Amino acid sequence: DGGITQSPKYLFRKEGQNVTLSCEQNLNHDAMYWYRQDPGQGLRLIYYSQIVNDFQKGDIAEGYSVSREKKESFPLTVTSAQKNPTAFYLCASSTGTGDIHEQYFGPGTRLTVT
Amino acid sequence: AQSVTQLGSHVSVSEGALVLLRCNYSSSVPPYLFWYVQYPNQGLQLLLKYTSAATLVKGINGFEAEFKKSETSFHLTKPSAHMSDAAEYFCAVTSYNQGGKLIFGQGTELSVKP
Repeated sequence: DGGITQSPKYLFRKEGQNVTLSCEQNLNHDAMYWYRQDPGQGLRLIYYSQIVNDFQKGDIAEGYSVSREKKESFPLTVTSAQKNPTAFYLCASSTGTGDIHEQYFGPGTRLTVT
Repeated sequence: AQSVTQLGSHVSVSEGALVLLRCNYSSSVPPYLFWYVQYPNQGLQLLLKYTSAATLVKGINGFEAEFKKSETSFHLTKPSAHMSDAAEYFCAVTSYNQGGKLIFGQGTELSVKP
């Protein structure tokens, strides 16, 4: 079955530690996205990538970093510089930007930093 | 800049009653509009999308939405609510010049009473 996987489902870290969230897709999609979800705030775009080896900052990129070395993988690192990292993180992908295609979402990773 | 406003962060209906979730958008170019559903601790699933074809769009699970340019609205409806419809619903907008990025509303949580 094609889809997007995110691991782990739940992640706990101590303040001051960097943590990397995994996102893998086997849909052969060119574009991938990372969102942060907080209660009552909808989804906010952190980073996105339209093609391998290229990515752009979204609306709330500070304290986060990404890489896109392979088409199917788009890991997100939450650094110690992110002041409030506890949130639900969602990864998504789409076929590209040449036409309007919907985004497909993974199941999410809930990160708790104490 | 584009934006989305979802009127009502919480909506409660009785089982069998009409579901109406409101979404208004702002866009200086022709918009493409989406409704997504999210069940607790899960990713988002596409319900339906408007991409400039028919203004009345039918989606999964009996939902439909009507694009009204004059009212800048894209409200989501379902004639008869089921208990399984209880979830959070997100409206999103994009356009040809947004590089595939979606702008999400803050979400509406739907409760269904027996």
